[in-house]
Order: sequence, then structure tokens, then C-alpha cells
Amino acid sequence: KAGVTQTPRYLIKTRGQQVTLSCSPISGHRSVSWYQQTPGQGLQFLFEYFSETQRNKGNFPGRFSGRQFSNSRSEMNVSTLELGDSALYLCASSSWRRGVNNEQFFGPGTRLTVL
Amino acid sequence: AQKVTQAQTEISVVEKEDVTLDCVYETRDTTYYLFWYKQPPSGELVFLIRRNSFDEQNEISGRYSWNFQKSTSSFNFTITASQVVDSAVYFCALSETTSGTYKYIFGTGTRLKVLA
Repeated sequence: KAGVTQTPRYLIKTRGQQVTLSCSPISGHRSVSWYQQTPGQGLQFLFEYFSETQRNKGNFPGRFSGRQFSNSRSEMNVSTLELGDSALYLCASSSWRRGVNNEQFFGPGTRLTVL
Repeated sequence: AQKVTQAQTEISVVEKEDVTLDCVYETRDTTYYLFWYKQPPSGELVFLIRRNSFDEQNEISGRYSWNFQKSTSSFNFTITASQVVDSAVYFCALSETTSGTYKYIFGTGTRLKVLA
């Protein structure tokens, strides 16, 4: 099976712009989560989608949004970029089923730099 | 509320030494899962182990072993005879089941440096 893929791998934007990141989960995985990783804050949970529905959201401002498509692919969008948004954005998928929290498999991440 | 604490920010050992990475968690849920992940310098997190709250058996996989103790809310990870390739950041994570939050909480990670 192919692993989790994320595009693009690297992105450079300027303040005020918006950005869309894409994630393709492992085939058959319907749960997709997004994380922001920065040196000082570790992995911070952004949101999780399952069957096109956002089931949970972390403590991030409304500038961060996401969606999931019927094929389980997911996108996250960040509007009005700020310098502090510079980070590695990780996508993870899992084969969730009720009562069993399976392990997540991570993609290589998208490194976003905001200038 | 969920919380995972990895108090060791960075550990340096010499090759072939044993090293234990600590993980302490907080949860009000009775059913939960614990995980360990490895993030090598290449950046991609690699899943190592999953343990549910009803299974307190320790696990050994090659040079890796895990000690789960509900009484102290700890899930520690030991690498025996460490190797340079073990150098990475290791993350412990917690996910509750019955609360229905469907999210995973990660610790801040422990950077392990294994020196040749």
C-alpha cells in the first residue's frame, strides 16, 4: 500500500497570503488528522475528519480550516498568513473504527515558510 | 483533560548504552490508547507501538521494550544497546475512546542523540 502523501512538500508564502495543503491518506483509511509542528510547541492538533465530517478541532484560529472529500483526500487552508504560521504541517490517516483508536500513519509533511 | 508529558527534552548516550524515555499521561477516560512514534532527521513520523488501557503487559520488540503502568500513568520506552540509527525525536501520544473526541494528544517529544 502506498503511504500518506502530502503536496506540496515545501512552500514559501508572504504574510497576508493564503495557502492550501493537500493530503492523500492510505487507501481505505477514512480518518485524516492534521497537525502543526514547530520547534517550540511540538505537534499541535489542528482537526480531524472522518467521512467528510470534521469530528474535532484543536485550538487554532478560524484562519485554519479544512475539508475532506468523498475519496477521503483532505485539504487544509490557512488564510491571511502570519509569520507564526511557519511550521511543518503533518497529515496522518488511520483506519478508525468505533471503540478502537488505531495508530496513525503520517505523511512527510509540508514545510511552510511565511516571509 | 488529556495531557501527555515527556519531561526529558534531550538525552545523549554513547552507543551500546541502554536508555529509557519517560512518558506520563493524564486522562479521565477508562478506555484509551497510548502510542510511541519515532521522528528521524528525515522528518517523517514512524509508528512504533500501540497499547490499550486494558493491556498492561510489557512488550519487547528486538532492542525496544515498553513498560506500561496504569498505577503511575506511565508508558516508558527503553532502547537496549542503543545505536546511532536510534538518534531521533520520540513522541508519546494518547487517544481517548469513550469520550468521543477522536483526537490524539502528543507529548513534546524527547530528542535522543546516540553518539558513536
